[in-house]
Amino acid sequence: AQSVTQLGSHVSVSEGALVLLRCNYSSSVPPYLFWYVQYPNQGLQLLLKYTTGATLVKGINGFEAEFKKSETSFHLTKPSAHMSDAAEYFCAVRGFSGGYNKLIFGAGTRLAVHP
Amino acid sequence: DTGVSQNPRHKITKRGQNVTFRCDPISEHNRLYWYRQTLGQGPEFLTYFQNEAQLEKSRLLSDRFSAERPKGSFSTLEIQRTEQGDSAMYLCASSLNFGQVQETQYFGPGTRLLVL
Repeated sequence: AQSVTQLGSHVSVSEGALVLLRCNYSSSVPPYLFWYVQYPNQGLQLLLKYTTGATLVKGINGFEAEFKKSETSFHLTKPSAHMSDAAEYFCAVRGFSGGYNKLIFGAGTRLAVHP
Repeated sequence: DTGVSQNPRHKITKRGQNVTFRCDPISEHNRLYWYRQTLGQGPEFLTYFQNEAQLEKSRLLSDRFSAERPKGSFSTLEIQRTEQGDSAMYLCASSLNFGQVQETQYFGPGTRLLVL
């Protein structure tokens, strides 16, 4: 079975500060991991994904995430927060069953960016 | 750019009424997923289509819920005899997959349902 735990339901940072959103996963198969962002009243937009290969993955809007198998983690970072980064962020793991890939999401982390 | 579209975006209904939502996937995407997102939670898988075939349903999908994807294009999700607990955001996602394990799902804007 697969599961995702996002530590911290709310994170607040100052504009220009480092953003760190934590995600730990559990997976019985090699994990495929995703970060999605959701702006108010909108659907989910893919930020980045890890499937195989390089463990440091770069995504859109300056975000990146590092897959650490030994720590079962896939934390999302951005060196310098911008006001427009305020949104909810979801980490997800592939749940592979019967030839298809449902996504199993964490509960989300709401990021606030203040001036 | 024709991404995944969903209609309506918002729906308010009274308990006991039936509602139907529509999802139009990205053109030529053969897989379509429905998820439900309640307040303060991440999306939860409901059901999945490969072309027109519904291949998996979550235990979250009670017998009041039914989904179709005629002709493997758009999909509808119907909820009969709605209950207040059905209030949620219903998200649709689509992907193009011919058996590979690597896949990216693209989400629509969702339909927010409020049952009074």
